[in-house]
Amino acid sequence: GQQVMQIPQYQHVQEGEDFTTYCNSSTTLSNIQWYKQRPGGHPVFLIQLVKSGEVKKQKRLTFQFGEAKKNSSLHITATQTTDVGTYFCAGVNYGGSQGNLIFGKGTKLSVKP
Amino acid sequence: ETGVTQTPRHLVMGMTNKKSLKCEQHLGHNAMYWYKQSAKKPLELMFVYSLEERVENNSVPSRFSPECPNSSHLFLHLHTLQPEDSALYLCASSRGQRSTDTQYFGPGTRLTVL
Repeated sequence: GQQVMQIPQYQHVQEGEDFTTYCNSSTTLSNIQWYKQRPGGHPVFLIQLVKSGEVKKQKRLTFQFGEAKKNSSLHITATQTTDVGTYFCAGVNYGGSQGNLIFGKGTKLSVKP
Repeated sequence: ETGVTQTPRHLVMGMTNKKSLKCEQHLGHNAMYWYKQSAKKPLELMFVYSLEERVENNSVPSRFSPECPNSSHLFLHLHTLQPEDSALYLCASSRGQRSTDTQYFGPGTRLTVL
């Protein structure tokens, strides 16, 4: 079945350093979504990428969707302690529906002040 | 965020107990979901309801029984659970079932099975 792999599993950075998490799917995706889960919290939707090669920015966060629509990345510039949490990517298989949303295992980010 | 609420927030139960988890969404959405989140595992989709009709059941053991009486409410009935069922159970909703409809999660119920 479809798999969504996410690396790294953990990332520890010093405040001010950059951070990147990568997401790879075994199949072509219709779209990819990114969620953030703070410690003790629940996943919160960040952004959705739909088009091949799409790049979107939210302040210090940059999201990319690969040309083949099988991989994606999230890059945070100059991390802050408020960035702490687990970042999940989630993909819908081409032709699928929301009921087929497959989540990666997530990357847990810790930021040392 | 109060768009999707879940009760209780924490639940401890024995293996012979019967309990129910409740989810309510105030977003006017037509689809609702139950997920299980365990340590070191990806979010596992358990059930999907669209317009109160179950559309997905991902090989979930029968000791978990969902109920969707209307588009705003979703229940997960639990009976004779196992310790390995201890996890965070998350409810989510989306406007519809289109691939581009995003999901809004509730705060979850932290379940411990003794």
